[in-house]
Amino acid sequence: GESVGLHLPTLSVQEGDNSIINCAYSNSASDYFIWYKQESGKGPQFIIDIRSNMDKRQGQRVTVLLNKTVKHLSLQIAATQPGDSAVYFCAESQEGGSEKLVFGKGTKLTVNP
Amino acid sequence: NAGVTQTPKFRILKIGQSMTLQCTQDMNHNYMYWYRQDPGMGLKLIYYSVGAGITDKGEVPNGYNVSRSTTEDFPLRLELAAPSQTSVYFCASSYSTGRGAAFFGQGTRLTVV
Repeated sequence: GESVGLHLPTLSVQEGDNSIINCAYSNSASDYFIWYKQESGKGPQFIIDIRSNMDKRQGQRVTVLLNKTVKHLSLQIAATQPGDSAVYFCAESQEGGSEKLVFGKGTKLTVNP
Repeated sequence: NAGVTQTPKFRILKIGQSMTLQCTQDMNHNYMYWYRQDPGMGLKLIYYSVGAGITDKGEVPNGYNVSRSTTEDFPLRLELAAPSQTSVYFCASSYSTGRGAAFFGQGTRLTVV
């Protein structure tokens, strides 16, 4: 069935370093992926998305990479800042799958000063 | 522009009581969703709606009911609260095509004792 998982539940980085958060998905029919950031006590907030016809998409300080061959998704955060500390979720959906988003367990990113 | 608004923010229920979690959005989104998030876990889809008058079950619908009489509102009903329903509930909405990022409310923290 549909499922989205994450390789690492926690990630600790130094301020200024680059962060890489990974996500594995199992549904090869998924064609749309989103990364969300969730700060403590708040709802998830959209970061960046990517469709399956792309391998890479860049935003402000963030890059999402999609490897459909191995069903792997990653979020790269450049020059990580203390404000980036949060739980990061990847989510997938499938056109024709009623657009519902399936979320992974999340990775908690801690940025050390 | 308030986005997605959920009420209440916190609630304690006794076993067997009922309540309605309110959700309203002012972005004219057709798609709306209810998720629950247990501690340290990702979000699981309870119910979703692709438009007024249309609702469908998600991954974990048992113990819940929804209605969608207007585009703006998507209330979630718990009829007989159980301790297993202790969780944080998030409402979300997305663009009319069903693609694109879902925007989330701030969540309702529900405790059933």
